Amino acid sequence: EAQVTQNPRYLITVTGKKLTVTCSQNMNHEYMSWYRQDPGLGLRQIYYSMNVEATDKGDVPEGYKVSRKEKRNFPLILESPSPNQTSLYFCASSLGLAGVTDTQYFGPGTRLTVL
Amino acid sequence: GNSVTQMEGPVTLSEEAFLTINCTYTATGYPSLFWYVQYPGEGLQLLLKATKADDKGSNKGFEATYRKETTSFHLEKGSVQVSDSAVYFCALIGRGGSNYKLTFGKGTLLTVNP
Repeated sequence: EAQVTQNPRYLITVTGKKLTVTCSQNMNHEYMSWYRQDPGLGLRQIYYSMNVEATDKGDVPEGYKVSRKEKRNFPLILESPSPNQTSLYFCASSLGLAGVTDTQYFGPGTRLTVL
Repeated sequence: GNSVTQMEGPVTLSEEAFLTINCTYTATGYPSLFWYVQYPGEGLQLLLKATKADDKGSNKGFEATYRKETTSFHLEKGSVQVSDSAVYFCALIGRGGSNYKLTFGKGTLLTVNP
């Protein structure tokens, strides 16, 4: 089944404790992206990747890191989480070769709480 | 920059009522337009899309028409069901550039009562 998976689905942590949220897709997609969803703000892009070893900042990259060492994986790293990073996080992927009309497929989301 | 404005919710309807959720956008050129739906506890799913002016996207009884003259992409359904209860997001991807970033509206919560 074609899908985007994220782990963990739920995480409660404390300020400053490094964490990684994994994202994996099995559709051989070139493009991957991370969004955060906050009440009243909709979804905002954190980082994106056009291909392996090609990543770039989105609209709200502060406090986050990403890597793309393999095509299928795109982990989101919070080196020193803070309470303002409490949010619902979504990973998405798309083929990336057919231009701007590509459908993006979303993972189920990771709900992160930073105390 | 690009932006999407959609009607604020929540929207509460009775089953079989007509649904309209308004969406307008600001973008340079001719963006691709999308409606995504988020059911409770789940990720976002593409509901429909349109890639050029006057295109009509449709799926599961929902429709939206890309109106360049009014920069709008309103979502409609003739007869809603309880199972349509969800959050609906209007979104666009701008032309050009190398980032296929989706710019989202803030979402509209729809509740359909039996």
